[in-house]
Amino acid sequence: AQSVTQPDIHITVSEGASLELRCNYSYGATPYLFWYVQSPGQGLQLLLKYFSGDTLVQGIKGFEAEFKRSQSSFNLRKPSVHWSDAAEYFCAVGADSGGGADGLTFGKGTHLIIQP
Amino acid sequence: EPEVTQTPSHQVTQMGQEVILRCVPISNHLYFYWYRQILGQKVEFLVSFYNNEISEKSEIFDDQFSVERPDGSNFTLKIRSTKLEDSAMYFCASRGDGGNSPLHFGNGTRLTVT
Repeated sequence: AQSVTQPDIHITVSEGASLELRCNYSYGATPYLFWYVQSPGQGLQLLLKYFSGDTLVQGIKGFEAEFKRSQSSFNLRKPSVHWSDAAEYFCAVGADSGGGADGLTFGKGTHLIIQP
Repeated sequence: EPEVTQTPSHQVTQMGQEVILRCVPISNHLYFYWYRQILGQKVEFLVSFYNNEISEKSEIFDDQFSVERPDGSNFTLKIRSTKLEDSAMYFCASRGDGGNSPLHFGNGTRLTVT
């Protein structure tokens, strides 16, 4: 069965510092990988996705993620965080862009706190 | 940019009551989904819907749940007899055709069962 692990429940980063959020997945075939962000009271916004090709993918809001097949990882990075980046971040895996008929499997999320 | 819209944003109901959560997917989308997020937990897949029928459902989606696309625009989730443990945020999502079409989520409906 597919699964996603986000080992960090909370991460605190100073504004302007770099960020890396970890994501490991377990999937039987070539995965479609996603990072979503959820601000308080809001829905899930897609930051970026990986389907194939270049393993370093660029997303919105200055985020990027790198797919490493050997490590089954898809870590999210940002070189310099802004206070507005404070939110919940979810990594997800699926069979296609919508997760296939079985839907996307999400990690438990990482709560990002930005300190001044 | 077109959005998935969900109503109401917050619904409070008593245990045993029926609730209907409403969603208007993006107009040219063909695949529709419901997800659930219990407070403090991860987002979980409930059901997928395509061509006017359920494509797949998770073990959470038991006989108390049903989905319907009553007209060309709405996609609803009905919980027949709510339980306390149904309290959660329910997200609707949709996507277009094509293997690389991304999933678009609504802002969710927070269901509180008392």
